[in-house]
Amino acid sequence: GAVVSQHPSRVICKSGTSVKIECRSLDFQATTMFWYRQFPKQSLMLMATSNEGSKATYEQGVEKDKFLINHASLTLSTLTVTSAHPEDSSFYICSAPSDRQETQYFGPGTRLLVL
Amino acid sequence: SQKIEQNSEALNIQEGKTATLTCNYTNYSPAYLQWYRQDPGRGPVFLLLIRENEKEKRKERLKVTFDTTLKQSLFHITASQPADSATYLCLLGGGGSYIPTFGRGTSLIVHP
Repeated sequence: GAVVSQHPSRVICKSGTSVKIECRSLDFQATTMFWYRQFPKQSLMLMATSNEGSKATYEQGVEKDKFLINHASLTLSTLTVTSAHPEDSSFYICSAPSDRQETQYFGPGTRLLVL
Repeated sequence: SQKIEQNSEALNIQEGKTATLTCNYTNYSPAYLQWYRQDPGRGPVFLLLIRENEKEKRKERLKVTFDTTLKQSLFHITASQPADSATYLCLLGGGGSYIPTFGRGTSLIVHP
């Protein structure tokens, strides 16, 4: 099946720094990718929809200036957490839909810890 | 706004029994519903998709039903095994917009 990768898998950073997370579709093209955040024992919360070649669409309550999304190619979307704070510590997961947009292929997730 | 509810408490069953998980939704008419499995620290993995015009779908030990009148889907795992222990998420899609909406997920624990 289709594969989505994320890098890095884990990152620890100091408060105030920025962290970039990459999401790649390895064997298919994705004009749309989704970014989720998941806190312990909570469900996945959709943060934003990343659109290739255009601006991302953010869900209500998600600060677009804090969570910068760039979808520069059909196989790569990046999420940059700017000026990270401890409350941004979470599990970030991306996904890309299949051709018919009926199945989501998820990345393995990135564990972010902000000290 | 659309709302998805899954059993909030963990489901504990004995190995060999059938596990049944529930997904209820309101304020939405999805064109399809999906079930995913998520293991701790991992991204979800797609299991099954069922469309609004389908009553039931099977895949090996898995069975999903979809009742659009009750606005409910049931997810069954027959002959459960400890390796089936995970969190199971339902996701609604279609119905005019493609913004994937997940339920909270139900934790299944299969005891040997």
